[in-house]
Amino acid sequence: QVQLQESGPGLVKPSETLSLTCTVSGGSISNYYWSWIRQPPGKGLEWIGNIYYSGSTNYSPSLKSRVTISVDTSKNQFSLKLSSVTAADTAVYYCAREVVFCSGGSCYGMDVWGQGTTVTVSS
Amino acid sequence: SSELTQDPAVSVALGQTVRITCQGDSLRRYHASWYQRKPGQAPVLVIYGKNNRPSGIPDRFSGSTSGNTASLTITGAQAEDEADYYCNSRDSSGNHVVFGRGTKLTVL
Repeated sequence: QVQLQESGPGLVKPSETLSLTCTVSGGSISNYYWSWIRQPPGKGLEWIGNIYYSGSTNYSPSLKSRVTISVDTSKNQFSLKLSSVTAADTAVYYCAREVVFCSGGSCYGMDVWGQGTTVTVSS
Repeated sequence: SSELTQDPAVSVALGQTVRITCQGDSLRRYHASWYQRKPGQAPVLVIYGKNNRPSGIPDRFSGSTSGNTASLTITGAQAEDEADYYCNSRDSSGNHVVFGRGTKLTVL
């Protein structure tokens, strides 16, 4: 059974770069999309971006200028970097696997999620 | 538009049927997926595709789509179904993922 685990600092200073890693265990990172999602306190889920195992990326237009997602297939890991953070970036950060369920690509879904890690931006 | 619109809150009496909706232009091209999120827990996929349930999801959960509106129906709601429910899909370009803002379901 595939499991995901986020890791990284829980506290980041304003203007610095938030860095998180998601480790995939129990299965291969190949042939899937891998996403980062966050949930600020009291708000809904926000998609940050994703990466295909081959390395191609897509980012949320609202965060694109600050986000970098990378993959290391040899370690079965993918990572998130979010630069120039502010208090508005305080959130629970999740990594998730995105599956293309339908031939033709008309249905996607995130079937496996990490437990989430809380990141607070504060000096 | 790449937005998905959900009602902020819905309530249902124990054992009754409730429908949670999600509206957006991208749903004319992409099926919605639905997630249940309980406090302190990661989201759980409950419906994907036309109307498919992952293993372990009770059959009281079902999904449907009409035009630009996707619906999650819980038939015979249970106390443990009280949670936030989010829809998502790809946006109209197919390159980005979008989430609805979530619907808080209260089981009375």
